[in-house]
Amino acid sequence: DVKVTQSSRYLVKRTGEKVFLECVQDMDHENMFWYRQDPGLGLRLIYFSYDVKMKEKGDIPEGYSVSREKKERFSLILESASTNQTSMYLCASSGGHSNQPQHFGDGTRLSIL
Amino acid sequence: SQQGEEDPQALSIQEGENATMNCSYKTSINNLQWYRQNSGRGLVHLILIRSNEREKHSGRLRVTLDTSKKSSSLLITASRAADTASYFCATNSGYSTLTFGKGTMLLVSP
Repeated sequence: DVKVTQSSRYLVKRTGEKVFLECVQDMDHENMFWYRQDPGLGLRLIYFSYDVKMKEKGDIPEGYSVSREKKERFSLILESASTNQTSMYLCASSGGHSNQPQHFGDGTRLSIL
Repeated sequence: SQQGEEDPQALSIQEGENATMNCSYKTSINNLQWYRQNSGRGLVHLILIRSNEREKHSGRLRVTLDTSKKSSSLLITASRAADTASYFCATNSGYSTLTFGKGTMLLVSP
């Protein structure tokens, strides 16, 4: 079974801090994704990566950056956390073909105070 | 941008009944996928239907796709309390990304 592991289930940070969310997958998947999930808004794609060192903006990249130095690891960075970035963050991975499903981690519930 | 929109937003049924959720989308697709999310957890992939398929089954799940109406439905037969979750449709338009709807919350009461 594919396992996607997010480093923290719950995280509390302060406004202005630089925040790192880590995600690791164990299935040698080419693609990795970061979403945020908010009540009433569903899942929105922040960034995705289709290969090491490659990244593409999703629908809501503002205020975020990402890093993919190794195939199995995809990091989401909040450069200067703000209260409107309080959310559930979900990482996912998938194989290279478009007909492959995405496999999700359990999410990180991030609170910015 | 949202593409899939699920209907209804919430559904409450008794164990043993069937649950039907619908999804509408706006642009042409390569495939459509359904996912389940238990409270506070990540999404779990249920089933994928390609644009040239009309119906697909997996256990108690039945998915239909009507590309002329840009709609899909997910039927869960003989529902159980353990089926209580949110269900999302997601569309793929040929790249690796998915566009998710806002989900249907299903409550199955014993």
